[in-house]
Amino acid sequence: DQQVKQNSPSLSVQEGRISILNCDYTNSMFDYFLWYKKYPAEGPTFLISISSIKDKNEDGRFTVFLNKSAKHLSLHIVPSQPGDSAVYFCAAGGFGNEKLTFGTGTRLTIIP
Amino acid sequence: EAGVAQSPRYKIIEKRQSVAFWCNPISGHATLYWYQQILGQGPKLLIQFQNNGVVDDSQLPKDRFSAERLKGVDSTLKIQPAKLEDSAVYLCASSLDHRPAGYTFGSGTRLTVV
Repeated sequence: DQQVKQNSPSLSVQEGRISILNCDYTNSMFDYFLWYKKYPAEGPTFLISISSIKDKNEDGRFTVFLNKSAKHLSLHIVPSQPGDSAVYFCAAGGFGNEKLTFGTGTRLTIIP
Repeated sequence: EAGVAQSPRYKIIEKRQSVAFWCNPISGHATLYWYQQILGQGPKLLIQFQNNGVVDDSQLPKDRFSAERLKGVDSTLKIQPAKLEDSAVYLCASSLDHRPAGYTFGSGTRLTVV
């Protein structure tokens, strides 16, 4: 049972344009959502998070949007840079429970 | 701050052999996790320790996998005997508190079972 889904395995975006990565979830008990970024041969690194009481969180070029009614979140990167090329994982968890459920990842390629 | 250390980085073994992975979390981090990431999938939690006690091992295949965290610091994950489907990257992570954003992952151990 895939509780967190990233339906796009890959995405290519021109440098300077907006990258939009999407994530859907099925478990209504999730109340905390995160995006991780992973380079080859490295572990995932935390990028940005959002709690269920918010619908938007922004950190520099990165913005995460949460639509609870649709059980959908998205990560926007503006403007996209070559260093953003990586695999992005969406993850979800509940407050008081550190266990995270990850999606399958989206490989983002920024084209110079 | 030193990161989460894992060793070895790579390991190739034959099926039915045994293998062990080691993890040294960030100093002071009470919670330690082992995740399995199969190619093309997201990381899946195998086991979670709080200090040296197990919090969650519901997805650990206990017939062949074992893990321990003696003294609440370092941890080892063992597979005995290995199967072809155990080929994956094994990620260790640690966190200071209960906030998931506090996770720090190690670089992982890539296991290939042939």
